[in-house]
Amino acid sequence: NAGVTQTPKFQVLKTGQSMTLQCAQDMNHEYMSWYRQDPGMGLRLIHYSVGAGITDQGEVPNGYNVSRSTTEDFPLRLLSAAPSQTSVYFCASSYSDRFTYGYTFGSGTRLTVV
Amino acid sequence: SQKIEQNSEALNIQEGKTATLTCNYTNYSPAYLQWYRQDPGRGPVFLLLIRENEKEKRKERLKVTFDTTLKQSLFHITASQPADSATYLCALARRPLFSGGYNKLIFGAGTRLAVHP
Repeated sequence: NAGVTQTPKFQVLKTGQSMTLQCAQDMNHEYMSWYRQDPGMGLRLIHYSVGAGITDQGEVPNGYNVSRSTTEDFPLRLLSAAPSQTSVYFCASSYSDRFTYGYTFGSGTRLTVV
Repeated sequence: SQKIEQNSEALNIQEGKTATLTCNYTNYSPAYLQWYRQDPGRGPVFLLLIRENEKEKRKERLKVTFDTTLKQSLFHITASQPADSATYLCALARRPLFSGGYNKLIFGAGTRLAVHP
C-alpha cells in the first residue's frame, strides 16, 4: 500500500515553461486536493476533486489546471511557469469531503522557477 | 476575510512538560477541525479530528479541545519528548457556500514545537 505518490520530488523550470506534477493514490479515495506550501503562509488549496470527472477551484487556482479522469490519478498542470509559483506542492487524498478520516499527504514536489 | 491563526513563533519547552498550541479562526463555521504534524521535508501527517459538537478529544498523549464560542482549538501534548519536535498544523473543514457544494480543508500556517532534553 503506497498511499499517495508524487513525482517528481524536485524540479527546476524556466519562466514560461509548462509541466505536469503527478499524483497517484491507491486507497480508492474519492477526494483529492493540491496544495502549495510557502514559508509563513501555510498550505493553500489550489484545486480539488470529489471524484472522477469532478474538479473545482480552491483559494489560489490561477496558473494551474487539473483533471481527474480516474479515481487514482490527479495531475496538476502549470500552464506557463512563473517565479511566483516557486513552492512546495503537496497532493492529498481522503475518503470524502467529510474529512472524518483525515487527509493522507504525499511527500511533496519542490518546484523552483527561474 | 476568513483566517486561521496559529502562533508563528516557535514554542520551546523542556522534555516532560506539556506543550499547548493554539489555533484561532475567524468568520468560519467549521464542520470539523483537524491537527497535523509535519516534519522538515515531509508531508503533513494526520493526528486528530474533533467535530463541532465535541468539546474534547484524546489520543494517547494528545488532547484537542474545540470551543466554537471562542473560535479556538487548543492542542496539548503531555509528557513531551524531543521526538515530538515538529511543526503542528491545524485545519478546518469549511462548509460550502451553497447547497450541494463540498467542504474544503483550509490550513493554518503552523506552529513549530521544539522539545529540549
